Amino acid sequence: GAGVSQSPRYKVAKRGQDVALRCDPISGHVSLFWYQQALGQGPEFLTYFQNEAQLDKSGLPSDRFFAERPEGSVSTLKIQRTQQEDSAVYLCASSRGGEVNQPQHFGDGTRLSIL
Amino acid sequence: GDSVTQMEGPVTLSEEAFLTINCTYTATGYPSLFWYVQYPGEGLQLLLKATKADDKGSNKGFEATYRKETTSFHLEKGSVQVSDSAVYFCAFVTGGGNKLTFGTGTQLKVEL
Repeated sequence: GAGVSQSPRYKVAKRGQDVALRCDPISGHVSLFWYQQALGQGPEFLTYFQNEAQLDKSGLPSDRFFAERPEGSVSTLKIQRTQQEDSAVYLCASSRGGEVNQPQHFGDGTRLSIL
Repeated sequence: GDSVTQMEGPVTLSEEAFLTINCTYTATGYPSLFWYVQYPGEGLQLLLKATKADDKGSNKGFEATYRKETTSFHLEKGSVQVSDSAVYFCAFVTGGGNKLTFGTGTQLKVEL
């Protein structure tokens, strides 16, 4: 497809388990972003990649959160030892990059529920 | 710090009514401003944008004007339709930055 693809669409895990969320950006998009959206709130920035380089991880809430994009395309957001407060929708977005303020295109998100 | 303030919802309107959703921002530098829309069961979609003062973004009958003097970017539509029912998010990127800062969203319900 032509859009940003995220998987799984829904993920249920028990507290303390590790989870991995995948993002396939639009082909050729240089920039990739992860956001966390709590229920009834706007998305909040987690981290940003330009190609394979993680240029900004200031939004990651704790060292249990880790993101990677090893070949500059697909990205994985990993959460270790999940807590109930990690329950949220995790959104991935990509943009062409190369120019400031390129529009970001969002995937449908992964809804994570921690029991 | 950087933030976006949107009017609280839900906003309920009759079809063909005039819509205004207020948005103000606090940002360093000269941000680019955006409205995103989330239809039920779908992902966030860019609705319109404006990158400098006095620019007007428009799309699908929606408009918003970048007002630097009042740090506002209010969303308007002259005649709403049932299909406009969605959650609307105001957001910005600061100059030279990349991450979007979002408001909390305003839910719009349009009834026949």
